[in-house]
Amino acid sequence: DAKTTQPTSMDCAEGRAANLPCNHSTISGNEYVYWYRQIHSQGPQYIIHGLKNNETNEMASLIITEDRKSSTLILPHATLRDTAVYYCIGVTGNQFYFGTGTSLTVIP
Amino acid sequence: GAVVSQHPSRVICKSGTSVKIECRSLDFQATTMFWYRQFPKKSLMLMATSNEGSKATYEQGVEKDKFLINHASLTLSTLTVTSAHPEDSSFYICSASGSLTYEQYFGPGTRLTVT
Repeated sequence: DAKTTQPTSMDCAEGRAANLPCNHSTISGNEYVYWYRQIHSQGPQYIIHGLKNNETNEMASLIITEDRKSSTLILPHATLRDTAVYYCIGVTGNQFYFGTGTSLTVIP
Repeated sequence: GAVVSQHPSRVICKSGTSVKIECRSLDFQATTMFWYRQFPKKSLMLMATSNEGSKATYEQGVEKDKFLINHASLTLSTLTVTSAHPEDSSFYICSASGSLTYEQYFGPGTRLTVT
């Protein structure tokens, strides 16, 4: 599975868009990019995933570069409840290997 | 989304005893279940993968005789920490996946404290 690199931490003002980057330069052609988040002392929560095309759902948008070496998760209007650790995971097969993630703090 | 439960949510046990943690998929059939552990301020570490009716596959460095995994049905997997020691104290999280997707649904986790 591709090793992913994310910034350790980020801040975002409440109501603004949060853009969380992820580098996965070693990703292979059949590897999906999955995003999960973990609020303190809870199990991770699925956000979104994609392969080549950009994706959007009720929680977020996922922008994947054309060369697939990086992606950005966008939370369009961050709220205080979006404060969490966000994990970007490259997946082939069914096993997830979590990196260190980005700790996002939404500031009032 | 699919719901996965874990029981107990917290457990304290004495050193040398065994502890069983249950993981249930409540509204779907989980062909594969996963067990993770997470130390404070660290990321999740995959311990093992289990398919229903088969022996679990353990990650390198995880002792299979210490962390016994049973996945006897499509809705239940159990993790038994045998002869627990204080260094086994951790947050244990399970996840479940159906047959049609790689997506994993995570349980709320079990906080184990060994005294």
